[in-house]
Amino acid sequence: GAVVSQHPSWVICKSGTSVKIECRSLDFQATTMFWYRQFPKQSLMLMATSNEGSKATYEQGVEKDKFLINHASLTLSTLTVTSAHPEDSSFYICSARDFRQGADHEQYFGPGTRLTVT
Amino acid sequence: AQSVAQPEDQVNVAEGNPLTVKCTYSVSGNPYLFWYVQYPNRGLQFLLKYITGDNLVKGSYGFEAEFNKSQTSFHLKKPSALVSDSALYFCAVRAANQGGKLIFGQGTELSVKP
Repeated sequence: GAVVSQHPSWVICKSGTSVKIECRSLDFQATTMFWYRQFPKQSLMLMATSNEGSKATYEQGVEKDKFLINHASLTLSTLTVTSAHPEDSSFYICSARDFRQGADHEQYFGPGTRLTVT
Repeated sequence: AQSVAQPEDQVNVAEGNPLTVKCTYSVSGNPYLFWYVQYPNRGLQFLLKYITGDNLVKGSYGFEAEFNKSQTSFHLKKPSALVSDSALYFCAVRAANQGGKLIFGQGTELSVKP
């Protein structure tokens, strides 16, 4: 199988603080992971592509200094929301791309992290 | 530009009736098409995909989808809906030459009533 986990599943933080969200591929190595943001009952918006051992590639309009991405190992990518504000409150979902033979480079999604900034 | 459209924000179906969730796409080259389902406060679960081969693709939980090249559509179907199928459904296309990015439709909320 291909399982992706996220931690924490939900977090409440105060405005101005930073929050780190982890995304792990549990049974496969993922050189590429993706971070999405989702507002209630809306589609997923790709924020950035996380590449192991190199800098993330951010989508247009996403602030690199606000949403720090680190992909230091083949099974872990982290998203840090720096100096969080209430407008950063959202559902953050990661996915990991499976390059194993026969996997068709498919993406597997984590369960998501609900961030609430007060 | 590559895009995916789901023309219906919501689909309402009675339990036991067939359901269809519509999706049309616009891509350059051969499309890789996907359907995902999302339950409240959950990540996305993969239902099925079309890459090549038979136009009728069978997936999880009794769902299937038909790839129609001439109509650039990839509608999701199920012969007999269950109340537990109520969820948010996303169609997606894998962008060509963009490192595997998925482009999602806006989502369709399926409501199955007893």
